[in-house]
Amino acid sequence: KQEVTQIPAALSVPEGENLVLNCSFTDSAIYNLQWFRQDPGKGLTSLLLIQSSQREQTSGRLNASLDKSSGRSTLYIAASQPGDSATYLCAARLSDSNYQLIWGAGTKLIIKP
Amino acid sequence: GAVVSQHPSWVICKSGTSVKIECRSLDFQATTMFWYRQFPKQSLMLMATSNEGSKATYEQGVEKDKFLINHASLTLSTLTVTSAHPEDSSFYICSARDGGAWNTIYFGEGSWLTVV
Repeated sequence: KQEVTQIPAALSVPEGENLVLNCSFTDSAIYNLQWFRQDPGKGLTSLLLIQSSQREQTSGRLNASLDKSSGRSTLYIAASQPGDSATYLCAARLSDSNYQLIWGAGTKLIIKP
Repeated sequence: GAVVSQHPSWVICKSGTSVKIECRSLDFQATTMFWYRQFPKQSLMLMATSNEGSKATYEQGVEKDKFLINHASLTLSTLTVTSAHPEDSSFYICSARDGGAWNTIYFGEGSWLTVV
């Protein structure tokens, strides 16, 4: 059974720092892995999606990596800003024919001005 | 790009009443829609998968008679929480599969339900 874990559960850093959020999964047989952002009281915003054949994806100050063999994905945020404060979720999709996503519990990120 | 609209974003209802949440795909046909629930500080958990025109498939532990899912058209799925209780208070979010775009999955904005 696939399980997705995100550590730490919460992180607080000063503005301007680069930071890494971690996501680990127990079964390396995933179809893709996706990172989302969830703001308080709001829905989900998809940030980056990495297919199983890819090693990383970049969007602006965000870079997500995927290492299937070790069961890990990281989300790198460069030059953090207070507006980056949110909960970041990762989710693994199991296969091409299975559209269910297995979710981590999220990392709550606070960027201090 | 493709958009999934979920309504309402926030809803407060009295214990014992029913509340309906709608999930619409605005510019694509959603062959399959998924309903998730998220309790505070926990992961999103899949409640059920619905295919247009057929009965929803519920995950283990989800009461199908309490959480009624209807997917009557390719652009609309509804989740009705019947006889709601305070423990049903949660964040509910839907997602939809666009079969015409490499099966990309899009998410709604989510609905916060508070039962008082």
